[in-house]
Amino acid sequence: SQKIEQNSEALNIQEGKTATLTCNYTNYSPAYLQWYRQDPGRGPVFLLLIRENEKEKRKERLKVTFDTTLKQSLFHITASQPADSATYLCALESDSWGKLQFGAGTQVVVTP
Amino acid sequence: DTAVSQTPKYLVTQMGNDKSIKCEQNLGHDTMYWYKQDSKKFLKIMFSYNNKELIINETVPNRFSPKSPDKAHLNLHINSLELGDSAVYFCASSQDGQGGLNEQFFGPGTRLTVL
Repeated sequence: SQKIEQNSEALNIQEGKTATLTCNYTNYSPAYLQWYRQDPGRGPVFLLLIRENEKEKRKERLKVTFDTTLKQSLFHITASQPADSATYLCALESDSWGKLQFGAGTQVVVTP
Repeated sequence: DTAVSQTPKYLVTQMGNDKSIKCEQNLGHDTMYWYKQDSKKFLKIMFSYNNKELIINETVPNRFSPKSPDKAHLNLHINSLELGDSAVYFCASSQDGQGGLNEQFFGPGTRLTVL
């Protein structure tokens, strides 16, 4: 069955450092992968989308890579700030039209 | 202006009751979704509608019934509520139904507590 794995342990990082999150998947061949941010008590907010033929995508301090051979996506937050503290979810296009499967998310805590 | 809104934000009810959650989007999107996020924070899709037509119907008890009166609204009715239905329910919308290609816009969520 299809499976998405994200680090369940919170990532504690000092302000100014780079946070790197991992999203691994099995039994998928997604054409797209998305990353979302979720703050406590709020709905997820879209951050980035990367296609299978794109190795890397950037948006301001965010960078996403997509390795279809390793079946892995890495999400980087450079020059992290306390305001980046949140849970980050990866989501993969599933095999049905319009269906996204979400990982459980990784919590990031940035301390000053 | 809120892009995707849900009411109510909190819903506390007794087992066996019937309740509804309403969702509206003002983005002009064609596709709307219902997700359930349980206590372990897994976000799972339940249903999606494209232009009022049911597209995705996951393995969800038939006590859950979505209704889309028009493409800007998608409501969720739950009959005979059970303890295990306690969760946060999110509504979302996207430009069209190509879920992997289009970003999804989420509402603020409805926290349902069944006592």
